[in-house]
Amino acid sequence: DAGVIQSPRHEVTEMGQEVTLRCKPISGHDYLFWYRQTMMRGLELLIYFNNNVPIDDSGMPEDRFSAKMPNASFSTLKIQPSEPRDSAVYFCASRKTGDSGNTIYFGEGSWLTVV
Amino acid sequence: GQSLEQPSEVTAVEGAIVQINCTYQTSGFYGLSWYQQHDGGAPTFLSYNALDGLEETGRFSSFLSRSDSYGYLLLQELQMKDSASYFCAVRSLLSGNTPLVFGKGTRLSVIA
Repeated sequence: DAGVIQSPRHEVTEMGQEVTLRCKPISGHDYLFWYRQTMMRGLELLIYFNNNVPIDDSGMPEDRFSAKMPNASFSTLKIQPSEPRDSAVYFCASRKTGDSGNTIYFGEGSWLTVV
Repeated sequence: GQSLEQPSEVTAVEGAIVQINCTYQTSGFYGLSWYQQHDGGAPTFLSYNALDGLEETGRFSSFLSRSDSYGYLLLQELQMKDSASYFCAVRSLLSGNTPLVFGKGTRLSVIA
């Protein structure tokens, strides 16, 4: 089975530009999470969806960040305008209700550098 | 809220045993998980403890004491490939479907 698929894997952009990160969760999974990882702050939850509906976006740093999940197989995280402090690895993860334990499945991440 | 404390770095010798500790504070407890992340890679699930005691999976074991809000990951017969970051994680609320909150991670370096 394919895992969580993210794109792009790497992106370098100039400050002020719009950045769109994409995620395809594992088929059949009803939860989707966006995490951001930096050396200083570790893995932070930005937002999560259940059945395509945003449940909690309290981790989104500010209005420059937005996320959508138009259907069960696709989600986007958008930063507009981007700033150098947004440089981080952005992970998408998914899980299925009823899965045992605390298992969530991460994508390989999108490495964002804003210069 | 939730908070997790784990050492930032640990160094151990190939073939040895290493223990990575995690203490947590959470408003509701639904189990302690451990994830492994190699440099440049994604976090991957290692183990999960919902009840007190030791869970063993091959060379890796994880322990939980709910009364002490404490757990650890034990890695035996260390191999160079075990060099990675290890994260403990708990749920944000007393629910099986709320997001995981991660500790800052422990970077394990295995040396020859």
